[in-house]
Amino acid sequence: NAGVMQNPRHLVRRRGQEARLRCSPMKGHSHVYWYRQLPEEGLKFMVYLQKENIIDESGMPKERFSAEFPKEGPSILRIQQVVRGDSAAYFCASSPPTGLTEAFFGQGTRLTVV
Amino acid sequence: GENVEQHPSTLSVQEGDSAVIKCTYSDSASNYFPWYKQELGKGPQLIIDIRSNVGEKKDQRIAVTLNKTAKHFSLHITETQPEDSAVYFCAVPAGYSTLTFGKGTMLLVSP
Repeated sequence: NAGVMQNPRHLVRRRGQEARLRCSPMKGHSHVYWYRQLPEEGLKFMVYLQKENIIDESGMPKERFSAEFPKEGPSILRIQQVVRGDSAAYFCASSPPTGLTEAFFGQGTRLTVV
Repeated sequence: GENVEQHPSTLSVQEGDSAVIKCTYSDSASNYFPWYKQELGKGPQLIIDIRSNVGEKKDQRIAVTLNKTAKHFSLHITETQPEDSAVYFCAVPAGYSTLTFGKGTMLLVSP
């Protein structure tokens, strides 16, 4: 019974490149949440998706960031033209339709922009 | 939006002592209060939660207490062990789809 799987675990990108972070939810979970954690900070909500739908993207930066959760395959968080300030740990959580009270987090992707 | 304050930011205790971490929140409509433990290089793991219809919940050495009137809830760890060393986060729902997290408490348990 695999948990929430995120890959890659570590990602290094040069400024201006694109970063793609993937999240496969737990079996039976149809809801995915993305959070960002800056060094020595708590987790900040970015976006909430169901299959083929973005439900709440109130925490997403207006530019360069996008997310999707297709009918087949993992959820993708995409950051275009990365800058040093994008360096952070990005965590994905998944839940059944009952929502956040049954959410489990993945191990995260640590993005470093050089 | 929801404002969550967590204290202390760091806490050092001797093995066997108790540790208490407190969170205050602003939205009186909140009804679910989880605590997460994050070990180095790992994702947050839910360790205990409480709903607004009870004042205390215990699970072995950990407990959470809730004071809805004062809008605060606390994590209590008794008989601490070195493996309890981690960063602990409280969280409060902000709407249906998000959790607002505190800034975390780094707990260090010395043998």
